[in-house]
Amino acid sequence: DVQLVESGGGLVQPGGSLRLSCAASGFTFSSYWMNWVRQAPGKGLEWVANIKQDGSEKYYVDSVKGRFTISRDNAKNSLYLQMNSLRAEDAAVYYCARAPYSRQPGTFFGYWGQGTLVTVSS
Amino acid sequence: EIVLTQSPATLSLSPGERATLSCRASQSVSSYLAWYQQKPGQAPRLLIYDVSNRATGIPARFSGSGSGTDFTLTISSLEPEDFAVYYCQQRINWLWTFGQGTKVGIK
Repeated sequence: DVQLVESGGGLVQPGGSLRLSCAASGFTFSSYWMNWVRQAPGKGLEWVANIKQDGSEKYYVDSVKGRFTISRDNAKNSLYLQMNSLRAEDAAVYYCARAPYSRQPGTFFGYWGQGTLVTVSS
Repeated sequence: EIVLTQSPATLSLSPGERATLSCRASQSVSSYLAWYQQKPGQAPRLLIYDVSNRATGIPARFSGSGSGTDFTLTISSLEPEDFAVYYCQQRINWLWTFGQGTKVGIK
């Protein structure tokens, strides 16, 4: 079974940094585009970023460009999100989500992790 | 950026009733429209992809329809476990966006 387990969330001050991780299992991680999707408390879903299976292409929502960096380590079956210059509006549950088909970015999200909570507050 | 507008924001129904949820796009999204269900404290779960295809394990009471800019998720007969928030989602170019959600609550 596909499993995605996020970690690394926590409380950080505005302007601070945090690195999220997503451990993947149950599929060939190196064959899939991977995504981060977030959900602010009581709000809807927002796609944040994605990365190609080999890491050669990365895409971001405008609101995080220049502050967040998505990366992956296929040897460790892991996805990461480095978040710098954090703002109050970045506070959310961050989900790791897999593309539906191998070697394609896909148009929807086939599998999701349970999420990790990021709180931005002084 | 394509904006997805879901209506109604809240739907109050009884078990056994039919639920009809709408998702309208600000411009055509072709056939790349998906629906997710989310229960409190849980991750979203894929229900429907490419407008009308049910994801693995999704019961037949869930169906999707529509084209271009207007899409519908129908739950033919609500089960107690179907009371949740539902989101539509699309991808155009390199941007994936979601609607704001419709909450299906118990009447």
